[in-house]
Amino acid sequence: DAGVTQSPTHLIKTRGQHVTLRCSPISGHKSVSWYQQVLGQGPQFIFQYYEKEERGRGNFPDRFSARQFPNYSSELNVNALLLGDSALYLCASRLAPTDDGYTFGSGTRLTVV
Amino acid sequence: AQSVAQPEDQVNVAEGNPLTVKCTYSVSGNPYLFWYVQYPNRGLQFLLKYITGDNLVKGSYGFEAEFNKSQTSFHLKKPSALVSDSALYFCAVSVNTGGFKTIFGAGTRLFVKA
Repeated sequence: DAGVTQSPTHLIKTRGQHVTLRCSPISGHKSVSWYQQVLGQGPQFIFQYYEKEERGRGNFPDRFSARQFPNYSSELNVNALLLGDSALYLCASRLAPTDDGYTFGSGTRLTVV
Repeated sequence: AQSVAQPEDQVNVAEGNPLTVKCTYSVSGNPYLFWYVQYPNRGLQFLLKYITGDNLVKGSYGFEAEFNKSQTSFHLKKPSALVSDSALYFCAVSVNTGGFKTIFGAGTRLFVKA
């Protein structure tokens, strides 16, 4: 079985631009979460989706948005990029929203210049 | 506010010795607790979880963790460390307060020397 796949693996954007990151969960996993990991820090929770509905939101500005599609894949969108948005963006999937361990993708490395 | 603390940035241990990586948490309600490991240039990997039941839980690669409700701790342990255990370890807690979220600690880097 394929693991959690994320695309693209690396991305360079200019301040003010928009970016879309994509994630395909493990087959059968209905819960997808997004995290931001800045070098030297733990992952910071952005969103959780379960059964195509937003089930949790972290302390990120409204420039960050996400959605989950009928096939349970997900997109993370970031508008009006700032230099501080440069980070590794991780997608994670699991069977249920709370009581299962996540399987993480390898992440998308976003650099904003 | 919900939080997870890993008080040690780095833990050094000799191969063959026992290791402990500490984690404390502050959440309302009953927590679901997790440990993850991150190897260089690889994604986060799930090690083990505590949901309910026995306070000592066993996970992957010989790791175990002890849940202590009175001390709000969930320390990761291994009886005999291997050099290959050297990695970045994250403690995490899942909460459901107005929405689901999993909060990660800042991480502890484990160095196991031969």
